[in-house]
Amino acid sequence: DAKTTQPPSMDCAEGRAANLPCNHSTISGNEYVYWYRQIHSQGPQYIIHGLKNNETNEMASLIITEDRKSSTLILPHATLRDTAVYYCIVNTDKLIFGTGTRLQVFP
Amino acid sequence: DGGITQSPKYLFRKEGQNVTLSCEQNLNHDAMYWYRQDPGQGLRLIYYSQIVNDFQKGDIAEGYSVSREKKESFPLTVTSAQKNPTAFYLCASSVTNYGYTFGSGTRLTVV
Repeated sequence: DAKTTQPPSMDCAEGRAANLPCNHSTISGNEYVYWYRQIHSQGPQYIIHGLKNNETNEMASLIITEDRKSSTLILPHATLRDTAVYYCIVNTDKLIFGTGTRLQVFP
Repeated sequence: DGGITQSPKYLFRKEGQNVTLSCEQNLNHDAMYWYRQDPGQGLRLIYYSQIVNDFQKGDIAEGYSVSREKKESFPLTVTSAQKNPTAFYLCASSVTNYGYTFGSGTRLTVV
């Protein structure tokens, strides 16, 4: 079973920051937090991952709470092309996907 | 360019027939995975392999079989024992603790 909880859907205005939350209260000390997104009928795309520290790359930022029980994916300036299902995953050796958050970016 | 190739993109199968989905990667990744996705659902793990000649069952392995004779290849056979095989199948590969790379998927339809 997936070890994460995410809201089923969210909306965001184009150009604004999209903040996608994820709860993973049973995370173990050696488990990473991964974020992927899937645009309709395509394979999931890797976004970012982290263990303890906050991370940033060209796509997004990942904020992990100090107790590691939750995290937030931040898309700083959402565009229409960011409309997708976003999956938060906790793993050690294999990815177990939940149902994710369907993010709708509107003009 | 490195990546994962899944073929075919669309596949039609008659009931009672076995069918094999191809997955090839040139990323030199040790681990490979097969997932199934049904409409409006998340991905479910079928099988995975972390090294050549070894593989493990995932959450929904019944009715499926795999082989890992080469590092680059991880074919999935959907057997006649799989009662509801119509789905979108995704293959992925990874290096431990780094991001997975997914193929573009095979859409299997039983006719």
